[in-house]
Amino acid sequence: AQRVTQPEKLLSVFKGAPVELKCNYSYSGSPELFWYVQYSRQRLQLLLRHISRESIKGFTADLNKGETSFHLKKPFAQEEDSAMYYCALSGEIQGAQKLVFGQGTRLTINP
Amino acid sequence: NAGVTQTPKFRVLKTGQSMTLLCAQDMNHEYMYWYRQDPGMGLRLIHYSVGEGTTAKGEVPDGYNVSRLKKQNFLLGLESAAPSQTSVYFCASSYSRRRGGSTDTQYFGPGTRLTVL
Repeated sequence: AQRVTQPEKLLSVFKGAPVELKCNYSYSGSPELFWYVQYSRQRLQLLLRHISRESIKGFTADLNKGETSFHLKKPFAQEEDSAMYYCALSGEIQGAQKLVFGQGTRLTINP
Repeated sequence: NAGVTQTPKFRVLKTGQSMTLLCAQDMNHEYMYWYRQDPGMGLRLIHYSVGEGTTAKGEVPDGYNVSRLKKQNFLLGLESAAPSQTSVYFCASSYSRRRGGSTDTQYFGPGTRLTVL
C-alpha cells in the first residue's frame, strides 16, 4: 500500500539552528516525492519536488530510495519558516495519478 | 487569473442538513480533487475527477457525493451532514501530466471550514 509517514507532529527549533523534517514512504513503484507547505492563513502550496533537485527558500530534500526517505532540511532556520509541512507521494493508484499525504509536521521557529 | 477558488469559506450545519461546496479553477486543469484536513490525519482524498463528466472515489468517500459537469467546476455535496464531517475541506486542481511525464503540481484553494453540530 502507498503510505507516507511523518513521525513528528510538532517540531520546534531556535532561529539559526538546523532543521530536519522527516518523511518516510512506502510505494511499490517508482515514486515522485513532494513537500507542500501551509503558512498561517495561506493556502497549501508546493515547496519542492524531488525530481527538480532544487533548493527553495533554503530548503533541500534528497530522495533516498534505500531508506525510502525524503527528509526536508534547512541549515539555518528562519522565523518565517514556521508553518505546517506535508510530505506527499505521487503514484499511480487505481489507474490515476494521485497524491498521498503524510500527517503533517507543524514547525515552529523560536526567536 | 484567480487560480482555485472555493465557496463558501465557512459554514455551520446542523446534523442531517445538506450542503454543496463549490470549487472553481480557471487554469484549464483536467484533474480536480477534494480533500479533508483533520488534525493528526493530514490531507485525505475524498473524491477526484480526471476530466469533465468523470468522478472517482478517493480514500474517504463515504457520506459525500461529487459532480463535474463543467471542466472548471467540481462540486462536493453532503446529503446528510454528520458531526464526523466537521473538517476543513480543500479543493485542488492540476494538469494530468507535466512535460516529460512527471506529475504536475496540485494547486490548492483556500479551504472551507465546515462545522456540523
